[in-house]
Amino acid sequence: EVQLVESGGGLVKPGGSLRLSCAVSGFSFNNYNINWVRQAPGKGLEWVSSMSSSPNNYIWYADSVKGRFTISRDIAENSMYLQMNSLRAEDTAIYYCSRSLPQGTGDYWGQGALVTVSS
Amino acid sequence: DIQMTQSPSTLSASVGDRVTITCRASQSIVTSHLAWYQQKPGKAPKLLIYQASVLETGVPSRFSGSGSGTQFTLTISSLQPDDFATYYCQQYQSLWTFGQGTKVESK
Repeated sequence: EVQLVESGGGLVKPGGSLRLSCAVSGFSFNNYNINWVRQAPGKGLEWVSSMSSSPNNYIWYADSVKGRFTISRDIAENSMYLQMNSLRAEDTAIYYCSRSLPQGTGDYWGQGALVTVSS
Repeated sequence: DIQMTQSPSTLSASVGDRVTITCRASQSIVTSHLAWYQQKPGKAPKLLIYQASVLETGVPSRFSGSGSGTQFTLTISSLQPDDFATYYCQQYQSLWTFGQGTKVESK
C-alpha cells in the first residue's frame, strides 16, 4: 500500500526555521518525482517545490519560497524533506507531500503537516 | 507561468443535479496535462481525473472531464451526498498551478 506520512510541523517565530519530513512506503521512491504543496488557512492549493526522479534530481521552487526553502530526498531513509528557513507569517499553512510520475500529477498525498509562523 | 481560473467559485446544487465546473488556462495546455482534484475539509486533495479526461482508478463514473487548449470542464452527472466538497483544477504541463477552487454546497 502506498503511503506518505508528514511530520515536523509546529509553531515557529518569524525568521525561524523548520524541517518537514515525509516518510514514504509501498513504492519505489527512485522512480517518482516528489512534490510539496501548501494550503493557507481557508485558502486554495499552492505548489511549493518539486524534485525529479533519480538520477536527474532536478529541483524547482515557487518564487514565493525560492532562496528560503530547500527540498531533498534520502533514498536510504525512504524520506523526503522540506527545509524551511527565514519563515514568514505568510508561510503559515498545511504542507502536503505527494508523489508523481515524471511529467505527471500527484496521485498519492500525505495527510498534511501544519506550520504556523507567529510571534 | 500558466495561470488557472475556475468558475464558479461557489456552486449551490441538490442531490441528483448535473454539475459543471469550468477551468480556463492563461495559455494553451497542449499536452492536455490537466487534472481535477476533490478536497474535503481537513483532508488531503484526492485525484479524480488526469490528462484532462482520464478517470483515476476507483473514482465513480459520474465524474467526467473534457476540454483542450485553454478551456476544460469537470462534470458530475448526478450529484451524490458524498460529492459536496471543493474541486480544484491543476495544470502540470509547466510545473504545477492550481485553480482557486470551486466549492460545491447543498442548495
